[in-house]
Amino acid sequence: EAGVTQSPTHLIKTRGQQATLRCSPISGHTSVYWYQQALGLGLQFLLWYDEGEERNRGNFPPRFSGRQFPNYSSELNVNALELEDSALYLCASSLGGVSYQETQYFGPGTRLLVL
Amino acid sequence: KQEVTQIPAALSVPEGENLVLNCSFTDSAIYNLQWFRQDPGKGLTSLLLIQSSQREQTSGRLNASLDKSSGRSTLYIAASQPGDSATYLCAVYGGTSYGKLTFGQGTILTVHP
Repeated sequence: EAGVTQSPTHLIKTRGQQATLRCSPISGHTSVYWYQQALGLGLQFLLWYDEGEERNRGNFPPRFSGRQFPNYSSELNVNALELEDSALYLCASSLGGVSYQETQYFGPGTRLLVL
Repeated sequence: KQEVTQIPAALSVPEGENLVLNCSFTDSAIYNLQWFRQDPGKGLTSLLLIQSSQREQTSGRLNASLDKSSGRSTLYIAASQPGDSATYLCAVYGGTSYGKLTFGQGTILTVHP
C-alpha cells in the first residue's frame, strides 16, 4: 500500500513569489495535516483538513493557506514568499474524523528554498 | 499552551549500549503520545504510539513508557546499533492542541561502531 506522497521534492523560489505544495494521503485516510520544519525551530503545525474542511490552523500568517480536494489530496499555498519560509514542509495523514487515537503517517516532505 | 521538551538534545554512544531518551510535556490532558524517527533531510517514521490509557508500548528493541499524570515519557532502545543513528522526536496529541501534534525539539542520536 502506498504511503503519503508529496510533490515536488524540492522547490526553489524567489522572495515575493508563490509556492504550491501537494500531498496525497494514504488510501482511506480523510485527514491531512501540514507541518513546517524550519532550521532551528523544530516541527510546527500549520493546518489540518478533514473531509474537505479546515479544522484547525497553527500560528502562521494568512499568506499560508490550503485546501483539500474531494479525493482527500491537499494543496498548501504560500503567497508572498519570504526568506524565512525556507523549510522542509511535511504532510501527514490519518483516518481522521473523531478518531483521536489514530497515528499520523508522514510523507517525505517538500524542501522549499526561498532566495 | 502545550510544550514538549526532550532531553538530552544529543547523545553519542558506542554500539551495543542500552539507552534512554526522555520527553516531558506540560499539559497532561493528552489523547496519545508518539515517538518518531527522522533521518537527515527525510520525513518522519512513526516508531511507537501510546494511548493515554496505556502505560507502555513495545516494538522489537524499542520500549516506550508513558506517565501521563507527571507529563513524562521515555523511549528505551536496547542493544543500540549504528543504524539507529537518527533524530528521535516525541509528539503529543490532544488536550488544548486540538487536531495537531506538538513536537519536542528532538534528540540527535549517534551510535558509533
